[in-house]
Amino acid sequence: EAQVTQNPRYLITVTGKKLTVTCSQNMNHEYMSWYRQDPGLGLRQIYYSMNVEVTDKGDVPEGYKVSRKEKRNFPLILESPSPNQTSLYFCASSSFNNQPQHFGDGTRLSIL
Amino acid sequence: SQQGEEDPQALSIQEGENATMNCSYKTSINNLQWYRQNSGRGLVHLILIRSNEREKHSGRLRVTLDTSKKSSSLLITASRAADTASYFCATDRDDKIIFGKGTRLHILP
Repeated sequence: EAQVTQNPRYLITVTGKKLTVTCSQNMNHEYMSWYRQDPGLGLRQIYYSMNVEVTDKGDVPEGYKVSRKEKRNFPLILESPSPNQTSLYFCASSSFNNQPQHFGDGTRLSIL
Repeated sequence: SQQGEEDPQALSIQEGENATMNCSYKTSINNLQWYRQNSGRGLVHLILIRSNEREKHSGRLRVTLDTSKKSSSLLITASRAADTASYFCATDRDDKIIFGKGTRLHILP
């Protein structure tokens, strides 16, 4: 079954404690992306990757890092989380950047 | 910065009626996509329309695109309770994907 898998689904943590949200896809997609969704603001792109070892900033990259060492994985790293990063996060993948995206089920992060 | 902006923000209609929501965007695009999101779940792709297309159908969905006005509309015909969800348009800008803020659709029994 084609899917995008994110882990964890829920996380409550404290300010400054590094965390990683994993994302994996099994469709051999080249394009992967991270979004955050906040009430009234819709989805905003954090980072995206066109292919292995190719990553670039979206509209809200501050405070986040990503890596793309393998085609299937695209982890999101918060080196020093802050309360304003409390949000619902989605990973998505597609064959190319302007093709239909498959979304994961989301990760709800709470930074206290 | 928001590329796509949907309106209305919220829409309530009776089951069986048609629902129309609109999306406006700011810069030229290669294509425009519509997605559905059920209550905090992951988004599901509905339909993609290319910049050289004017109308596209998929089941009860009809999408139009007017590149001169930089706008698109999504029509859901004969609405059902299961259509209750948020609907987002998404456009491409360079290699980025830009989503609008969405329209919350509520189908009343």
